[in-house]
Amino acid sequence: GQSLEQPSEVTAVEGAIVQINCTYQTSGFYGLSWYQQHDGGAPTFLSYNALDGLEETGRFSSFLSRSDSYGYLLLQELQMKDSASYFCAVGGGGGNKLTFGTGTQLKVEL
Amino acid sequence: DAGVIQSPRHEVTEMGQEVTLRCKPISGHDYLFWYRQTMMRGLELLIYFNNNVPIDDSGMPEDRFSAKMPNASFSTLKIQPSEPRDSAVYFCASSPGLTRDEQFFGPGTRLTVL
Repeated sequence: GQSLEQPSEVTAVEGAIVQINCTYQTSGFYGLSWYQQHDGGAPTFLSYNALDGLEETGRFSSFLSRSDSYGYLLLQELQMKDSASYFCAVGGGGGNKLTFGTGTQLKVEL
Repeated sequence: DAGVIQSPRHEVTEMGQEVTLRCKPISGHDYLFWYRQTMMRGLELLIYFNNNVPIDDSGMPEDRFSAKMPNASFSTLKIQPSEPRDSAVYFCASSPGLTRDEQFFGPGTRLTVL
């Protein structure tokens, strides 16, 4: 089976940098994804790591260490609109199913 | 493209009634997923299809739930009979099935069973 662990809540101030960690246990692993979900909205894709290392997309970066079964999402120059829930997910590759973590609620304060 | 379309956006029904949720995936996407989201259980995959064929329905909670995909542009999730514990937000998502695990979610249907 699959299990993923994330902190339930993180609070940071506007303009700061925050890191959301994710550890996973899987029976088969192809990649780690990150999704953002605002209250009342749908999850939207942020990033994907299949190989070890850092992937950067604007203010967001995602890191993966396959040997440690660990990844993180790094958000820089935080803005109020970044307040949302962030989910890590592991998948079977391509169109295969994703298993989502329990989500981390990020609160950005002034 | 309009994105994934779901209907209805909100549904309130009474226990024992049949509920049908509808989804139109993004054109050209070969994979379609149905998820359920609750505070207690998080985001759970119920079933997914590849080229209209159900691939994995191990997440379907019980026989009261059924899903169909009669063609590439339409899928339904049916609950019969509905129970209060089925109250949740139900999301449909589609994916082109490329190497990265990007899924495109619809706006969801908020179901309340009284």
